[in-house]
Amino acid sequence: QVQLQESGPGLVKPSETLSLTCTVSGGSINNYYWSWIRQPPGKGLEWIGYIHYSGSTNYFPSLKSRVTISVDTSKNQFSLKLGSVTAADTAVYYCARDNYYDTRGWWFDPWGQGALVTVSS
Amino acid sequence: DIQMTQSPSSLSASVGARVTITCRASQSISSYLNWYQQKPGKAPKLLIYGASSFQGGVPSRFSGSGSGTDFSLTISTLQPEDFATYYCQQSYSTPYTFGQGTKLEIK
Repeated sequence: QVQLQESGPGLVKPSETLSLTCTVSGGSINNYYWSWIRQPPGKGLEWIGYIHYSGSTNYFPSLKSRVTISVDTSKNQFSLKLGSVTAADTAVYYCARDNYYDTRGWWFDPWGQGALVTVSS
Repeated sequence: DIQMTQSPSSLSASVGARVTITCRASQSISSYLNWYQQKPGKAPKLLIYGASSFQGGVPSRFSGSGSGTDFSLTISTLQPEDFATYYCQQSYSTPYTFGQGTKLEIK
């Protein structure tokens, strides 16, 4: 059973770069797309972007200038970097696997437990 | 971007009741609509994908329907563990977008 676990600093200063890593266990990172999704405290869910194990990416347009998602297949990990952060980037950040079936589209499952990142000086 | 609008935003219901949550897309998304359940402090959990396909392990009291722009999630007989927030999400095109959520509370 595939499990995902986010890791990284829980506190980031304004204007600096948020960095998180998602470690995939119980299965291979190969042959899938992997997403980052965030949720500000008390608010809804926002998709940030995905990466294919081959390295191709797709980002939410409003975040595209600040986001980089990368993959390390040798470590079964993928990572998120979000630059020039502000308080508005304070959120729980989730990693998830993208699944696909023709005529059903894409869905996120499983999810990591989430990592709260607070942007504050 | 495709906008997803859920209604109602919150709902009070009793154990044993039948409830329906609706989700409307700003354009046709075929059947590329998913439903998630989220409990406080927990990650979202997939319930339904492709508008009506069950994720393994999800109780049969949950069902999804719809296509095009209008979708619904129905819980046939509410159980205490069903009180949570529910989100719809479209995967017809990127950026993938979620509805604002429907908070289901105990009456």
